[in-house]
Amino acid sequence: DGGITQSPKYLFRKEGQNVTLSCEQNLNHDAMYWYRQDPGQGLRLIYYSQIVNDFQKGDIAEGYSVSREKKESFPLTVTSAQKNPTAFYLCASTRTWDEKLFFGSGTQLSVL
Amino acid sequence: GEDVEQSLFLSVREGDSSVINCTYTDSSSTYLYWYKQEPGAGLQLLTYIFSNMDMKQDQRLTVLLNKKDKHLSLRIADTQTGDSAIYFCAEKEGDNQGGKLIFGQGTELSVKP
Repeated sequence: DGGITQSPKYLFRKEGQNVTLSCEQNLNHDAMYWYRQDPGQGLRLIYYSQIVNDFQKGDIAEGYSVSREKKESFPLTVTSAQKNPTAFYLCASTRTWDEKLFFGSGTQLSVL
Repeated sequence: GEDVEQSLFLSVREGDSSVINCTYTDSSSTYLYWYKQEPGAGLQLLTYIFSNMDMKQDQRLTVLLNKKDKHLSLRIADTQTGDSAIYFCAEKEGDNQGGKLIFGQGTELSVKP
């Protein structure tokens, strides 16, 4: 079955710690995205990548970092510089110039 | 900047029609979308409409677009308890590639038996 897999489902971060959220897709999509969702708010774009080894900042990139070494994978690191990391993180992908964006099932990150 | 607005809550009775409304500000939007999110899950694409259309129907779902007023609506006919979820409206700007979408805050639909 083709799809987008995010792991883990739940993640806890200690003060000063960096944590990495995984996103893998087997849809052969070119572009991948990370969105952050806070309760009662829409989704906000953190980073996106339209091609391997290239990525761009979204609207709220501060305190986050990404890499795109393989087409299938787009991990997101939440660094200690992100002071309010508690949120639901959603990974998405699409073919370039396609109008449809598909989402993974999300990772809930909480601070201990 | 661009903005998408939705009301936060809607409550209907099972079997009634639901209408979820959305307004947007970017006149260069090319596509407008409706996504559904169930608790603790990702977003599921329900339907989308190209900006040169004014209506799209897909089984129980009807999307209406009023480009002049920048107003989008989603009508769900014969609403069922399984339709209870958060519904997000989103727009894609004309010069955006792929998945850079602007999302509304989401409308929580509650369906009462």
